[in-house]
Amino acid sequence: AAGVIQSPRHLIKEKRETATLKCYPIPRHDTVYWYQQGPGQDPQFLISFYEKMQSDKGSIPDRFSAQQFSDYHSELNMSSLELGDSALYFCASSLADGGSYNEQFFGPGTRLTVL
Amino acid sequence: AQSVAQPEDQVNVAEGNPLTVKCTYSVSGNPYLFWYVQYPNRGLQFLLKYITGDNLVKGSYGFEAEFNKSQTSFHLKKPSALVSDSALYFCAVRDENTGTASKLTFGTGTRLQVTL
Repeated sequence: AAGVIQSPRHLIKEKRETATLKCYPIPRHDTVYWYQQGPGQDPQFLISFYEKMQSDKGSIPDRFSAQQFSDYHSELNMSSLELGDSALYFCASSLADGGSYNEQFFGPGTRLTVL
Repeated sequence: AQSVAQPEDQVNVAEGNPLTVKCTYSVSGNPYLFWYVQYPNRGLQFLLKYITGDNLVKGSYGFEAEFNKSQTSFHLKKPSALVSDSALYFCAVRDENTGTASKLTFGTGTRLQVTL
């Protein structure tokens, strides 16, 4: 079965550089979520989109922005990178709930290292 | 704000023995609870969820979880542990009062170590 695809899988950047992470949801999934997982920590919610509109927002720095495109893929743009941004970034997708509270399916993550 | 707590950083169990990974929750309304497993350098894999209905929820790989409203708990269980079950387990609660794409709030995770 098709899963959530994230690219790149690994990314190394210097401080103050920019990075773009991409997420391709499971086919027919219309909802995308972004999470950040620091070393030894639990995933922290950043932002979510439903039908290309921002739906929920968590602890996402102002330096970060994201969007969902017409084909439902999403991109997380990160600027002025800081050492503390080094983490595993997960994308998850789901079908819109409609009351069914569908589970989120997670991608393999992008490991970002900021030097 | 909704939250979940996993009181144990690590659980050790011998293969073939039953295992329990604990989770308690705090919500203002109805609880929508999930368990995920994370293997090293991998994404989170969905195991099971409780939305409503039977208190005993069965999930993937032989795992089940028991929802207990009076104790506000949602413990993950498996009758017979396997070495391959060794991984990091996260309990999560979904926000009830937000829009369609509501976030999950995770616990701090419990590392399960199954030994021969």
